Amino acid sequence: DIQMTQSPSSLSASVGDRVTITCRASQSISNYLHWYQQKPGKAPKLLIYAASSLQSGVPSRFSGGGSGTDFTLTISSLQPEDFAAYSCQQSYSTPNTFGGGTKVEI
Amino acid sequence: EVQLVESGGGLVQPGGSLRLSCAASGFTFSSYAMHWVRQAPGKGLEYVSGISSNGGSTYYANSVKGRVTISRDNFDNTLYLQMGSLRAEDMAVYYCARDSSGWSYYDYWGQGTLVTVSS
Repeated sequence: DIQMTQSPSSLSASVGDRVTITCRASQSISNYLHWYQQKPGKAPKLLIYAASSLQSGVPSRFSGGGSGTDFTLTISSLQPEDFAAYSCQQSYSTPNTFGGGTKVEI
Repeated sequence: EVQLVESGGGLVQPGGSLRLSCAASGFTFSSYAMHWVRQAPGKGLEYVSGISSNGGSTYYANSVKGRVTISRDNFDNTLYLQMGSLRAEDMAVYYCARDSSGWSYYDYWGQGTLVTVSS
C-alpha cells in the first residue's frame, strides 16, 4: 500500500497568515492527490483534486501544488473559517490511502 | 441534490457483527464507485473499503481484510458494509463517500455513523 505522510501534524497560525501543509507519498502517484478539509463533527469536504484543481465553490485562497511524491496545500491568507483539519489522499492505487492529517489551530 | 445517509452504527461487543448501510439519492447510483472511510476518535481518516459501480470489483484495507465485506444494491441505491469479528480498534465514525470517477477523488460524503466496540 502507498503510505502518505503529512507534515506538520498540527500548527498554530493567525488570521491573515500564509499556511503551507505538505504531503509526501511513499512512491510516485503522478497527480492523483486530493485535499480535504474537516471541521469537528462534520464530514470531510473536498478542497483540491488532482493536486492543483480547485473544487467548485472553494475560495481561491486555497491552492495545491506538486506531483510525483511531494505535494503542498497552501492557504494564502488564513480566515477564521479555515481553522480545521486538513487531509491528503492518494487515488493512484487501491486501497486509496490518507495522510495522518494536519490540524490548523488559532 | 446528492445525498448519502449512513445508518446501522451502534454499540457492539468485541467479536460481534454489524451491518452498515448508506442510502444514496440525487444521482445515478449505479454509475459510481463507492467507498467507506472511517475515523477513530481524535484520529485521522482511514480508508476501509471500496466497490466498483457494478459491484464486480472490491477493495479492502489490510486492517479489515477478511473481517469486512462491502456490497451494493443498485436497484435500491444502497451501499453496505458487513463487519465481523469487531475489535476495539474498529471503533470509529464510518463515512460512505462517492467516487468522482476519473481522478477518483471523493466528491460527496455522508454524515457518518458511529460504531462503538465495547463490552
